[in-house]
Amino acid sequence: SQQGEEDPQALSIQEGENATMNCSYKTSINNLQWYRQNSGRGLVHLILIRSNEREKHSGRLRVTLDTSKKSSSLLITASRAADTASYFCATSGQAGTALIFGKGTTLSVSS
Amino acid sequence: NAGVTQTPKFQVLKTGQSMTLQCAQDMNHNSMYWYRQDPGMGLRLIYYSASEGTTDKGEVPNGYNVSRLNKREFSLRLESAAPSQTSVYFCASSVLLSYNEQFFGPGTRLTVL
Repeated sequence: SQQGEEDPQALSIQEGENATMNCSYKTSINNLQWYRQNSGRGLVHLILIRSNEREKHSGRLRVTLDTSKKSSSLLITASRAADTASYFCATSGQAGTALIFGKGTTLSVSS
Repeated sequence: NAGVTQTPKFQVLKTGQSMTLQCAQDMNHNSMYWYRQDPGMGLRLIYYSASEGTTDKGEVPNGYNVSRLNKREFSLRLESAAPSQTSVYFCASSVLLSYNEQFFGPGTRLTVL
């Protein structure tokens, strides 16, 4: 069963706008990761945030983590057409357990 | 470095046939994984290998077997393919189980008729 649930399932925006995707999970985690998947390709790691961190930045990406609400958000600022992809959150539980992926958010950025 | 490679890229099987999907990584990673991706279902873990010599079941292991041949290679075998196994299969690797980012291969698109 999936641990993470992304919201929304699909998001359409114009170039230059910001895109926000959310991820909720059920049990305590060690870390939470975000991945991107372009159509027909494998997943690419974007950012990892550990359970004792609240916010992380990487270029135009900003990830927040609220362990009390068991939720995370991924913000992509100033979106570009090349950001069109599916975005997945993945959670890591206790030591010795594998990552569990959510079903993803499909982002479409039109020019 | 090639990263994670998978063969074949595409495969069509008939129900009941068997095949092995190959995966190799050249990053000296300890952990390797096999996922399947179906429309609307995200990625589901089939099997994983935390380190050379160990394998464990994931969320959807039925109908599959795996072999961690050595530190570099992790294969997935379908003994008797069924139409329900039509999917895109991804192999991934990481330095350590769960603590680090995973690197994914390009995928194998499998159709079972």
